[in-house]
Amino acid sequence: GAVVSQHPSWVICKSGTSVKIECRSLDFQATTMFWYRQFPKQSLMLMATSNEGSKATYEQGVEKDKFLINHASLTLSTLTVTSAHPEDSSFYICSAQRERYEQYFGPGTRLTVT
Amino acid sequence: GQNIDQPTEMTATEGAIVQINCTYQTSGFNGLFWYQQHAGEAPTFLSYNVLDGLEEKGRFSSFLSRSKGYSYLLLKELQMKDSASYLCAAFSGGYNKLIFGAGTRLAVHP
Repeated sequence: GAVVSQHPSWVICKSGTSVKIECRSLDFQATTMFWYRQFPKQSLMLMATSNEGSKATYEQGVEKDKFLINHASLTLSTLTVTSAHPEDSSFYICSAQRERYEQYFGPGTRLTVT
Repeated sequence: GQNIDQPTEMTATEGAIVQINCTYQTSGFNGLFWYQQHAGEAPTFLSYNVLDGLEEKGRFSSFLSRSKGYSYLLLKELQMKDSASYLCAAFSGGYNKLIFGAGTRLAVHP
């Protein structure tokens, strides 16, 4: 058990458009999901913590109006990158927290903004 | 503050043993995770230590000393497929989030 999926696995979009990434916990309910961003050869940087039914908590330096997070149910969280720019190109990874501290990661979404 | 330190790169020979160290300073510490990440893929869970001591799981073992703020991941009988980045992450109970180190890139050579 503890499978987390992400969709899409990769996406290419034009500068100025918006992209939505879905994160689903397939076989468990996750009250908390996390969104990370990873640039090449760097570690994971937490962007925001998403709790079902409430507003996301963003890390310092992450623009909440640019990275919209919605945690509509116990198995689904979405990240929307609004008005994407080339510098937003990155690997976006979600994780879902099942038990008290365990986090299970999705396979990641590679975003390229042209 | 929150700080996780681990070596940037390590190399080892196939069949050998390698130890990857991690030191941490985290408020509200509630456990230490190790993840493996192959290039272009998401991290996969390897181990979780919350109490002091050694946890063994097959070829991988992880050790924690809470008093020293120190952990290590021990990989035995190295295989070529073990070439990957290994991420040390401390769970901050106060903030309910994982604090990741920069990762250690391990290269296993024949």
